[in-house]
Amino acid sequence: DIQMTQSPSSLSASVGDRVTITCRATQSIATNLNWYQHKPGQPPTVLIYAASIVQSGVPSRFSASASGTEFSLTISSLQPEDFATYYCHQTFGFPFTFGQGTRLEIK
Amino acid sequence: QVQLQESGPGLVKPSETLALTCTVSGGSVNKYYWTWIRQPPGKPMEWIGYIFYSGTTNYNPSLKSRITMSVDTSRNEVSLKLNSVTEADTAVYYCARDRSAWGSFLDPWGLGTQVTVSS
Repeated sequence: DIQMTQSPSSLSASVGDRVTITCRATQSIATNLNWYQHKPGQPPTVLIYAASIVQSGVPSRFSASASGTEFSLTISSLQPEDFATYYCHQTFGFPFTFGQGTRLEIK
Repeated sequence: QVQLQESGPGLVKPSETLALTCTVSGGSVNKYYWTWIRQPPGKPMEWIGYIFYSGTTNYNPSLKSRITMSVDTSRNEVSLKLNSVTEADTAVYYCARDRSAWGSFLDPWGLGTQVTVSS
């Protein structure tokens, strides 16, 4: 199975901060990498698909990039509604796998 | 707007069969892949597998011997059965829609349903 190592596992930040979350795959997954946001009491929602394509309706402060087997999600200026858990998800190799999640908390 | 709602028993006894349903509203099950994901407490999400509306399936090898997925197009529902459950199957179970068998993304997801395996 392709393992996705996501870091950090938790992150404390303030409104207005710029934060980056990283996922590293144990082998090449091309650009088959998605990022989801999960808030308590709500379904997870897709933010980014195909490594860097921002899903329609997602604020422009969210961006993502890829370099080899390392993938990054960046929030340029944290807003109160961004405090949530974020997951990466590879859809290159079966079984598809997820990162462990990053819990983004308010400092 | 398509919405998914998982339902099923919250408590299942060890060795029994877990049966969950994902009801699709605001859209049709046709033409899509329907994925099940679970998240045990304190662990990463685990991809259980998917079923295409036509019935084609792809299961996680770690669970393949115990899983059955089905689609009822007349009821607009997708179902998951997991037999011979143990406490390790305790998790929040989600269903989600996928647009293709490979290289796509899950959207939307259901809220998830908590399943506890305990005697």
